[in-house]
Amino acid sequence: GDSVTQMEGPVTLSEEAFLTINCTYTATGYPSLFWYVQYPGEGLQLLLKATKADDKGSNKGFEATYRKETTSFHLEKGSVQVSDSAVYFCALSTDSNYQLIWGAGTKLIIKP
Amino acid sequence: EPEVTQTPSHQVTQMGQEVILRCVPISNHLYFYWYRQILGQKVEFLVSFYNNEISEKSEIFDDQFSVERPDGSNFTLKIRSTKLEDSAMYFCASRQGSGANVLTFGAGSRLTVL
Repeated sequence: GDSVTQMEGPVTLSEEAFLTINCTYTATGYPSLFWYVQYPGEGLQLLLKATKADDKGSNKGFEATYRKETTSFHLEKGSVQVSDSAVYFCALSTDSNYQLIWGAGTKLIIKP
Repeated sequence: EPEVTQTPSHQVTQMGQEVILRCVPISNHLYFYWYRQILGQKVEFLVSFYNNEISEKSEIFDDQFSVERPDGSNFTLKIRSTKLEDSAMYFCASRQGSGANVLTFGAGSRLTVL
């Protein structure tokens, strides 16, 4: 079945470091891909999305490119801030019901 | 910005008790969802709801679970007789429809079954 695999956390970085959180997927058909973020005590917020191959989603300095050839959607940010500390979820959707299939989440800790 | 509202934020209950988790989706959204996340595990789809009926449900959503849209604003998840393994964070989400493929999530309701 369809699935999403993310790198395990926690990922601990210093402020202004470069961030990469890996995400790969398996899916039949052509999924839409998403990154959601969960800040402490809050719900799941859409960070960015891409709906077809080679699309790049971007928001708040984060970006991810839909790579069909490597079935990946890695999340990157050039310079992280303490306020980026959160749990990041990669997810996909393949059906018309837009049911999401989730990765396990990666906790990101940014130290000043 | 419109948001999905969930209540309660945290509920503690005894095993075997009935629990109702409430959600107020965004007002012009037509599709509604419940997901859950057991501590340390992946977010899992439970059920989707459209036009006053269930459109899809997962294997998790057995006879102990039910959903209802009792009025024009609320969307509820009922667990009839809670089990220890129902302890989880439950997320409600809604989607506008008409090709919109972005779900807006609530902050979640944490259920603890003792």
